[in-house]
Amino acid sequence: QQQVKQSPQSLIVQKGGISIINCAYENTAFDYFPWYQQFPGKGPALLIAIRPDVSEKKEGRFTISFNKSAKQFSLHIMDSQPGDSATYFCAANTNAGKSTFGDGTTLTVKP
Amino acid sequence: GAVVSQHPSWVICKSGTSVKIECRSLDFQATTMFWYRQFPKQSLMLMATSNEGSKATYEQGVEKDKFLINHASLTLSTLTVTSAHPEDSSFYICSASAPMGVGGGRLGHEQYFGPGTRLTVT
Repeated sequence: QQQVKQSPQSLIVQKGGISIINCAYENTAFDYFPWYQQFPGKGPALLIAIRPDVSEKKEGRFTISFNKSAKQFSLHIMDSQPGDSATYFCAANTNAGKSTFGDGTTLTVKP
Repeated sequence: GAVVSQHPSWVICKSGTSVKIECRSLDFQATTMFWYRQFPKQSLMLMATSNEGSKATYEQGVEKDKFLINHASLTLSTLTVTSAHPEDSSFYICSASAPMGVGGGRLGHEQYFGPGTRLTVT
C-alpha cells in the first residue's frame, strides 16, 4: 500500500514557467511534509517543509500548498530555471521522524 | 549548518566480502539516523532506523543479519553490508534527524541527507 502518491512522474517546463508537483497521502498520523530536491548521484536536499496547521508556506521561488481535508499538498516552483532540473520527492513524516517518500518527479526546465 | 557526510562516496567490492559505510553528522548531534537504499530512477526505500545506544529497527523485508547497523555515538552510524552479492549493488543514503532549530529548521523532524554511497559488487 503506497501511502504517499506523487504526480506527475515527469514534467517539462519552459524557463520562467511554473512547475507544479502534487502529492496525496492517506495516513492522518503524518504531521510533517517536506520536499526534497535530488541531483543525479547526490543525496536529497531539503527544500521546504510544512506542518498541517498551515495552508501555505513560501520560501523564495518555492511554495507549498497544503489541503488538510483533501490530504493533498503540492510544490510550486515559480520562475523555473534550468538549474532547477532535478528529481523532486515529497515525503510525509510521523512524529517519530520516519519518512514515507513519494515516487519522485523528474523536472526538466528547458532554456 | 546541518551537514551530513558519508564515507566512502563509492566502493567496489568482490562478491562475498563485507563493506562498511559511515554516516556522520558534522555539526549537530543526531539521536536518530536513517538508512535508505535507492535504485536508479526510483524513490528512496527506508531500510532501517538507527538510534544511538540501541538496536536498529529494520523495515519489513530487510535482512538485519545482512545489513548490520551500529549507531555508536550521537554523530556516527555505520552500515555494514555483509557477504555482499551483486544484487546488493545500489546507492545507499543515510540521513540524520536534526533537533528543532538546527540547520534553520523550526519545525522539528528535519532530516538531512548524506551525499550517498554507490556500492558495486562484482
